[in-house]
Amino acid sequence: EPEVTQTPSHQVTQMGQEVILRCVPISNHLYFYWYRQILGQKVEFLVSFYNNEISEKSEIFDDQFSVERPDGSNFTLKIRSTKLEDSAMYFCASTSGALAGGPYFGPGTRLTVL
Amino acid sequence: QKEVEQNSGPLSVPEGAIASLNCTYSDRGSQSFFWYRQYSGKSPELIMFIYSNGDKEDGRFTAQLNKASQYVSLLIRDSQPSDSATYLCAVNDGGSNYKLTFGKGTLLTVNP
Repeated sequence: EPEVTQTPSHQVTQMGQEVILRCVPISNHLYFYWYRQILGQKVEFLVSFYNNEISEKSEIFDDQFSVERPDGSNFTLKIRSTKLEDSAMYFCASTSGALAGGPYFGPGTRLTVL
Repeated sequence: QKEVEQNSGPLSVPEGAIASLNCTYSDRGSQSFFWYRQYSGKSPELIMFIYSNGDKEDGRFTAQLNKASQYVSLLIRDSQPSDSATYLCAVNDGGSNYKLTFGKGTLLTVNP
């Protein structure tokens, strides 16, 4: 069964450094997302991406964040200058569209900012 | 601010019993409703989605939606110890492409 994959599984970085989290969505899906979950808290929406552009973003997704689909398979989340409060699990998700169910989540990247 | 409320639990049921998980939401315009299962340290796993009022059954799982009451529930029949997890209710408003608002989740423990 097709799955969303994410790399790395764990990323440790120093405050102020840039990180790039990578995802390979399910191959025939058209809508891509990043969500995050701070330890012990709710899953929170960050951004949705469709047709090579951002379709929606939350207030969390400020100028420090960006997303890109550099090729036909990868979907990335970049955090330009990490803060301590960016420490969280970051989940990539995808779906083929309305009424198709989903989004289907990847296994996540645990980001630890020191 | 759209809100999704769930009983935080923990909910404890014996093996073989029916587990009932509840969720209410604040946005009357919400169109799509999802139940995810999340094991500790893992990602959310989609188990059910429902768009129309009424019941939707899939194996041991039944989702129930009542838009007038802004209420969605999940029933798990013949609960198994492997069902022990946190169950997340998520709601999508009508105008967005799966920008989901999640509840805090209900921790379910199924005792052998």
